Amino acid sequence: AQKVTQAQTEISVVEKEDVTLDCVYETRDTTYYLFWYKQPPSGELVFLIRRNSFDEQNEISGRYSWNFQKSTSSFNFTITASQVVDSAVYFCALSGYSSASKIIFGSGTRLSIRP
Amino acid sequence: NAGVMQNPRHLVRRRGQEARLRCSPMKGHSHVYWYRQLPEEGLKFMVYLQKENIIDESGMPKERFSAEFPKEGPSILRIQQVVRGDSAAYFCASSPQGDRGPNTEAFFGQGTRLTVV
Repeated sequence: AQKVTQAQTEISVVEKEDVTLDCVYETRDTTYYLFWYKQPPSGELVFLIRRNSFDEQNEISGRYSWNFQKSTSSFNFTITASQVVDSAVYFCALSGYSSASKIIFGSGTRLSIRP
Repeated sequence: NAGVMQNPRHLVRRRGQEARLRCSPMKGHSHVYWYRQLPEEGLKFMVYLQKENIIDESGMPKERFSAEFPKEGPSILRIQQVVRGDSAAYFCASSPQGDRGPNTEAFFGQGTRLTVV
């Protein structure tokens, strides 16, 4: 069975602090995809990243970075120098390689950035 | 370059009425997925459709819910005799090919927020 766990329900930090959102997953597939999505207060889903299980290189995109550790089944997301506009619910998600569009979502972490 | 279009964005129904949610996939996409997001929860897969076929409905409630994706026109998620517990955001995603292949990234619509009063 596939499962995604986001243990942090809510995080609140002051603007400009760095913050890491944790994600732990379970899957029996040897090949799979991991995702992060952002859901701002307006409600739409914003795609942030997709990583396949072959590629354990960490990724950086501006203030965002992702740390994929296959050994611990984790795919953590760090925002450096956080901004108020980063306030949103962030979802980590997983799909199998052969069912890449059937995505299993975690329960989300609500991130609040205080000015 | 229209993305996945869902309408309506907001829908209010009284208990017992029917709700019809529409999803027009991105141009060139023939695969559609419906997800439901209950308040304060993550999205849960409901159904996967290809044109005129239901491929996987393992996440769909057995009663009152149905989905279709006709040859022409949008995909429709239909909820009959709605109850308060159906209040949720319903998201549609589309992809250019199906479940077998590395390029099956799904693109999500903005969702339809259904409120049952």
